[in-house]
Amino acid sequence: RKEVEQDPGPFNVPEGATVAFNCTYSNSASQSFFWYRQDCRKEPKLLMSVYSSGNEDGRFTAQLNRASQYISLLIRDSKLSDSATYLCVVTSAGTALIFGKGTTLSVSS
Amino acid sequence: DAGVTQSPTHLIKTRGQQVTLRCSPKSGHDTVSWYQQALGQGPQFIFQYYEEEERQRGNFPDRFSGHQFPNYSSELNVNALLLGDSALYLCASSGLAGGLNIQYFGAGTRLSVL
Repeated sequence: RKEVEQDPGPFNVPEGATVAFNCTYSNSASQSFFWYRQDCRKEPKLLMSVYSSGNEDGRFTAQLNRASQYISLLIRDSKLSDSATYLCVVTSAGTALIFGKGTTLSVSS
Repeated sequence: DAGVTQSPTHLIKTRGQQVTLRCSPKSGHDTVSWYQQALGQGPQFIFQYYEEEERQRGNFPDRFSGHQFPNYSSELNVNALLLGDSALYLCASSGLAGGLNIQYFGAGTRLSVL
């Protein structure tokens, strides 16, 4: 079983739609949780950290359920510029980042 | 403030050759991590350097080695290249500032092994 598993993509949505990505992780000792965004042939960039209490940054909301070992990302009012691959990331022992395979989002007009 | 810089941007090698990739961390960062990203996959952790020592290592063979210099810059060396080593190699730097240990990535080196 992979350490971090994400919804298979791609997700194709119209502008203005709400889209949710889910992720599960296998190591209950995981300590830090993130969503990174990666544009085609570019480097990953931190979108947001994820906290147990849930957190919001503009149109983006992230949730963490430690009991279920589940992380989610909700994007409201999708923009064309949101088209990218979204990577679910956890840290376990040490500070190495463990990435999921990524979920591709395509927003169309 | 320069971010994480990597060189070269692209590289073509043949099987059996050796390659060295370079990384300069973001100003103020003292920790460098290296990742390999194959096409269609998420990045995979190779190793991390702190205070010129390998602090943590992922599941990669000994053909992958590294070094960190006193100025915190780092090199990744891969010996006896295989076709399967073709990938985007990402360097990330981090440092304890503002609480969380956030890793910032360079643009990567795209390695093709023929």
